[in-house]
Amino acid sequence: ETGVTQSPTHLIKTRGQQVTLRCSSQSGHNTVSWYQQALGQGPQFIFQYYREEENGRGNFPPRFSGLQFPNYSSELNVNALELDDSALYLCASSFPPPTGSSYEQYFGPGTRLTVT
Amino acid sequence: QKEVEQDPGPLSVPEGAIVSLNCTYSNSAFQYFMWYRQYSRKGPELLMYTYSSGNKEDGRFTAQVDKSSKYISLFIRDSQPSDSATYLCAIEPSGGSNYKLTFGKGTLLTVNP
Repeated sequence: ETGVTQSPTHLIKTRGQQVTLRCSSQSGHNTVSWYQQALGQGPQFIFQYYREEENGRGNFPPRFSGLQFPNYSSELNVNALELDDSALYLCASSFPPPTGSSYEQYFGPGTRLTVT
Repeated sequence: QKEVEQDPGPLSVPEGAIVSLNCTYSNSAFQYFMWYRQYSRKGPELLMYTYSSGNKEDGRFTAQVDKSSKYISLFIRDSQPSDSATYLCAIEPSGGSNYKLTFGKGTLLTVNP
């Protein structure tokens, strides 16, 4: 069983550019969540995808968008990059639990994005 | 008031010490409580999760939830240098279709040999 993988590992972009980050979920998981972790902070929820549909969104502007593919892999796209977008972007996969139980979310290693 | 508050530390202890890590939260709707460990430049790793009030033990780790005080704790017994990492508490609301996690800022722990 493979874990959650993310690519690329590091990325440097210029303000105003666009970026696409990729995530492959853990085998058997059909739900993918994306989080942004600024330096010295806990991860903040961006959005979640379940069966290729957005299943909830945090307080992030529309220039943060995503996709989930039939194989449950996912992309995070960020347009018009700003300096404050510099952070570690984490992907977490999970499988919907029985009603009343918790998701157990498993994280990938992250993509470190630097915007200059 | 933030949904989850966690003292960022840093916390430095000698090897073998008992470590206590804590978070408070504001929303009584939260039902699921997790602890993640994050090594430097890595993604968070799920350590334990508990449902509602009570204790849960796994080896050297004990997670404790007190819903009446909105207070959660992680205890590490016989701490090892390999336990040096940032520990993040995370909370998930019950019900609904959006299972987002709300994290604390994380506590940086160093266990000195």
